[in-house]
Formats: sequence, structure tokens, C-alpha cells
Amino acid sequence: EAAVTQSPRNKVAVTGGKVTLSCNQTNNHNNMYWYRQDTGHGLRLIHYSYGAGSTEKGDIPDGYKASRPSQENFSLILELATPSQTSVYFCASGDALDEQYFGPGTRLTVL
Amino acid sequence: QQQVRQSSQSLTVWEGETAILNCSYENSAFDYFPWYQQFPGEGPALLIAIRSVSDKKEDGRFTIFFNKREKNLSLHIKDSQPGDSATYFCAASERNYNQGKLIFGQGTKLSIKP
Repeated sequence: EAAVTQSPRNKVAVTGGKVTLSCNQTNNHNNMYWYRQDTGHGLRLIHYSYGAGSTEKGDIPDGYKASRPSQENFSLILELATPSQTSVYFCASGDALDEQYFGPGTRLTVL
Repeated sequence: QQQVRQSSQSLTVWEGETAILNCSYENSAFDYFPWYQQFPGEGPALLIAIRSVSDKKEDGRFTIFFNKREKNLSLHIKDSQPGDSATYFCAASERNYNQGKLIFGQGTKLSIKP
């Protein structure tokens, strides 16, 4: 059974709207990560968390917020979505010195 | 500034050949280098990784060659199979400092021709 799940898998939003992407992990990992994937850029880290209640800025945090209400759940929030945030978003979980386990991704289109 | 760079966006080899994917990095403090494999419609998955204290890591048909002095590494896929067609990401981190934060390269899309 999949250990990192994401919802929704596909989302179409309007410019200026609020978007929340959700991630759930059953690995009992302390660390969770949000990336976006764009052609030519690979995977870029947006926000990450070391545990429930903590969030840290990654390399490209502008325009995004994150929330980690529990060990299992980590959300990415776009308060005012823009077309430049059209992308595929991946959530991952991992222990500090070990591999990261990725979810299946969410394709977000902002019109 | 791209801290981890993969030299090719795409690569095509014939089935049975050795595919070689190249990667370079800038930060000499990086000491952990995983390669992730991604199939269309899926998330990346760890394929093989090497630490900077080693110059070679082998796992079946997959081998990483690492050159610390030149700050580059390569992934060799022996006896390429059509099922190896995927996008491969080189990544790097300072394992004991950055708490697992990975810096990814742009990815190389590998196609294996039967």
C-alpha cells in the first residue's frame, strides 16, 4: 500500500484563488518535503518540515505557505494562485540521513 | 545558479548498450549523492546512492563513478533494457548538516531503443 499519498491528483484553479494541496504519509518519518517539478529545472524544494508544528522555507518559498498539523500530514497552500505556479507538485517523506519517499504528484493548472 | 548540473537533458541508447549519465556539482561540502529514477506519471524513487568517501558504488546493472577532485559523478547502466527508459535525477546533500535536504539536477530523460 502506498506510503505517501497526495490529493488531489489533478487541480484546475483560477488566478487569485486559494489552493491547498495535501499530503499524507504512513512511514512515520519526521521529515516531509514539498517540491515542484518543471521541465529544465528538475525538482525544486518549496517548503519542508522536521516534525509536527514545524515548517521551514526551502529554495523557492515565495507565494507558498506550508502547514504540518501532525506527523502524517503536510499541506502546501497557495493563498493567491498565479499562472506561474502551474506545475507538478511532489510531496516526500524521509528520515534525515536516509532516502526520500515521494508521492505520485499533483498536477496543478492555474488559469 | 545551478548547484547540481546534469550535462544532458536527453539521451538515447540502443538496447544492450551501456548508458552513461553525467552530473557535476559546485559545493565541495556535498557528501551524499543519490540518483533517483522517475517513470511518467509517478514520483521519483531512489535508484542508487554514493557517499563522498567512496569512488564507486555498484548495484546490479547500475554503477556510480565518483570523482571528488573534479566534483563530478556518472551513472552507468549496463546492458540497457527498454524498461530503463525513464528520467534520472542526480541529487546532492550535506547529510550531517542539512537534515536530508536534497539539491536536484535538471534530470536526464533516457530512452532505450529496442
